[in-house]
Amino acid sequence: GQNIDQPTEMTATEGAIVQINCTYQTSGFNGLFWYQQHAGEAPTFLSYNVLDGLEEKGRFSSFLSRSKGYSYLLLKELQMKDSASYLCAVRDSNYQLIWGAGTKLIIKP
Amino acid sequence: ETGVTQTPRHLVMGMTNKKSLKCEQHLGHNAMYWYKQSAKKPLELMFVYNFKEQTENNSVPSRFSPECPNSSHLFLHLHTLQPEDSALYLCASSQALEGSQPQHFGDGTRLSIL
Repeated sequence: GQNIDQPTEMTATEGAIVQINCTYQTSGFNGLFWYQQHAGEAPTFLSYNVLDGLEEKGRFSSFLSRSKGYSYLLLKELQMKDSASYLCAVRDSNYQLIWGAGTKLIIKP
Repeated sequence: ETGVTQTPRHLVMGMTNKKSLKCEQHLGHNAMYWYKQSAKKPLELMFVYNFKEQTENNSVPSRFSPECPNSSHLFLHLHTLQPEDSALYLCASSQALEGSQPQHFGDGTRLSIL
């Protein structure tokens, strides 16, 4: 079966750095997406990785290792507004997105 | 600001009612999706439409019936629902099924079945 694993919940301090991990086992691989979802709102796109390595976009970076079936989302200089759920999704060989259950990130002052 | 609009935002219905969820995208995308999101569970893909044609139906019960009259509009018709169908229903659109273009989501309809 296909599976995406990510931690259920993480806590970090304002101004710090946090890394959210995602491991996957899917039938084929056609890219990995990270989304942010605030409570009661739509998921919004953060990043896309299809080749191994690091993609940096402002305070957010995403890393991919296809051989290890592993990705992480790195958030720097955390702000209170970063409190949200972070969703990892992999596009499989049928071009369907397989989703993780999300990681709820709690930022404390 | 979202380019994908869903109505209604909240819906409470009895198990014998019939209702419809509406989704409209203003992004010129060709693919549209219905997802179910339950607490602490991954997003579940329900239906996919590409250029108005249904390409996926992930074993969804027949009490959920999709309709896609054109590339900008998507409906989910509901009838004889069960309490376990209570969830957030999200609509999304993308330029294409493949490639690096992400899916864009609406704010969802929070559905409660009495």
